[in-house]
Amino acid sequence: DTAVSQTPKYLVTQMGNDKSIKCEQNLGHDTMYWYKQDSKKFLKIMFSYNNKELIINETVPNRFSPKSPDKAHLNLHINSLELGDSAVYFCASSLSGGVTDTQYFGPGTRLTVL
Amino acid sequence: EDKVVQSPLSLVVHEGDTVTLNCSYEVTNFRSLLWYKQEKKAPTFLFMLTSSGIEKKSGRLSSILDKKELFSILNITATQTGDSAVYLCAVDEDSNYQLIWGAGTKLIIKP
Repeated sequence: DTAVSQTPKYLVTQMGNDKSIKCEQNLGHDTMYWYKQDSKKFLKIMFSYNNKELIINETVPNRFSPKSPDKAHLNLHINSLELGDSAVYFCASSLSGGVTDTQYFGPGTRLTVL
Repeated sequence: EDKVVQSPLSLVVHEGDTVTLNCSYEVTNFRSLLWYKQEKKAPTFLFMLTSSGIEKKSGRLSSILDKKELFSILNITATQTGDSAVYLCAVDEDSNYQLIWGAGTKLIIKP
């Protein structure tokens, strides 16, 4: 069973469209994250939720909106997609969000905006 | 099934010691292996390895890949308390850009 799963794996879309990426974890963790990986492999945190509540909201355009229907799911909705949104997006979860908690990552969603 | 296994899961050493962290993998189409250091919020990218036998080095950290035996090691010499973190290994699988992540090694450096 995959611990942290993301769908879709690939997403190719036109500029201006709206798209969503889903994330689910079956680890019973309280905290989930969204990261954007740049071309140099750096991971930049975007959002973090603890038990369905937003706890980290980094400087991200408000076209990006996370939604957590329950603590096992954290979806990322992106409005009016732009070329610069093309990247690999990773979801992760950790037990309680503590700085020493190991984060468990999903396999990533490769978004290409044309 | 593709997998990445890190060992040990946790390690406690004293400042000044040298540590070696291991990452072994089984993937269908290997493209590269990545090491990250996770402390506080976002994991920090350390190295990307694609070729066997070529050591990557950054200060006291170094890493090497063995594509024949399917593993990588991350070495940290003269450890400091600031090296305490979880070290994550991930393998980029070629068929569709997805990372397969190890479970991490939790490293604690005691003063």
